Amino acid sequence: AQKITQTQPGMFVQEKEAVTLDCTYDTSDPSYGLFWYKQPSSGEMIFLIYQGSYDQQNATEGRYSLNFQKARKSANLVISASQLGDSAMYFCAMRDVYNQGGKLIFGQGTELSVKP
Amino acid sequence: AAGVIQSPRHLIKEKRETATLKCYPIPRHDTVYWYQQGPGQDPQFLISFYEKMQSDKGSIPDRFSAQQFSDYHSELNMSSLELGDSALYFCASSSTGTAKNIQYFGAGTRLSVL
Repeated sequence: AQKITQTQPGMFVQEKEAVTLDCTYDTSDPSYGLFWYKQPSSGEMIFLIYQGSYDQQNATEGRYSLNFQKARKSANLVISASQLGDSAMYFCAMRDVYNQGGKLIFGQGTELSVKP
Repeated sequence: AAGVIQSPRHLIKEKRETATLKCYPIPRHDTVYWYQQGPGQDPQFLISFYEKMQSDKGSIPDRFSAQQFSDYHSELNMSSLELGDSALYFCASSSTGTAKNIQYFGAGTRLSVL
């Protein structure tokens, strides 16, 4: 069965510094997609970045980048130049490729707090 | 750009009552998903529809049912509500024809069962 593990329940970072949020995954399927979502205290789920299992390069989206290490089955999110608005819960997710469309399987989440 | 629209945003019900949650996906997205997020939990998949046909089912109680209509909007119907049904319910949509097939989420419906 596919599984996502986020081992950091909470993280603190100083404003303007970079922070890495860890995510490891387990799957026997060679084709999969990995996602990161941000959930502020208001509750909405905001898509941040995507990495495909066959992508040769690490994904980047503005201040977000993904440190994808396929052999280690890790997909860590790096946020550069943290801002106060980055304080939120962050979820790593994997798309189940066995089914049409593919449901998302989420990790437990990491709560990030950015200090001024 | 248009986003996923969910209504209502907040809903308060009594035990054993019925609730209906609505979702309007992003135009031209062919798949709709429903997720349930309990307090302090990660979202759990409930059910999905591809081109108006149920495509996958997760840990959805028999008291819950869902459907997708001809205009692609979807509804999650919840009957005989229990205290444990109190949660944030998300609808998401995606276009499976795209390489990334990213699921975009609505703002959620926060259901409180008293």
